Amino acid sequence: EVQLLESGGGLVQPGGSLRLSCAASGFTFSSYAMSWVRQAPGRGLEWVSTISREGGNTYNADSVRGRFTTSRDNFKDTVILQMSDLRAEDTAVYYCAKVGRTNYVWGALDLWGQGTMVTVSS
Amino acid sequence: EIVLTQSPGTLSLPPGERATLSCRASQSVSSNYLAWYQQRPGQAPTLLIYGASRRATGIPDRFSGSGSGTDFTLTISRLEPEDFAVYYCQQYGDSPFSFGPGTKVDIK
Repeated sequence: EVQLLESGGGLVQPGGSLRLSCAASGFTFSSYAMSWVRQAPGRGLEWVSTISREGGNTYNADSVRGRFTTSRDNFKDTVILQMSDLRAEDTAVYYCAKVGRTNYVWGALDLWGQGTMVTVSS
Repeated sequence: EIVLTQSPGTLSLPPGERATLSCRASQSVSSNYLAWYQQRPGQAPTLLIYGASRRATGIPDRFSGSGSGTDFTLTISRLEPEDFAVYYCQQYGDSPFSFGPGTKVDIK
């Protein structure tokens, strides 16, 4: 089955760190760029980051640059979002999504996971 | 950075009616790399349209996309009960790959 499964969400204090994982299955993971998108409670979608298929290029939103790092393991079919210096405004559901075009980062997101909730609060 | 504006914020229509949603970009979207997503309550978004006008796999033909440059439109020809949801546009031509704020389509 073609799917993405996020894990690693939870409650963290301001200034803390958290590592999200996204496990892919059912497609050739190494052929596609991957993205993270978040959604604060009751709010719209916010693009967070995109990583190229080989992992050599990453693109980040200004709101997370310098605090969040995206990486991938093409042997384990996994993409990681390492978050540090977390703030209350980072509270959101974090979705992992697949870029729908092989070999390019410039593609619509054609497969989404169900999301994992991150709450930043003391 | 490209800022996307969607209108209206909420669209109230009865089932069977035609829905027209607008997405306007602050500058031209490269190669018309504009997508539309549907999000139902409590669910992840799903891709409807990419490249401004191409339907994603499995999307019914009552959904259509049009436009170019800075002005784009999503049309739902006849609203079905499952179409009442929030719709987002996204440009993926230039990083940051921004989303619009969304249009909620609800039942009148």
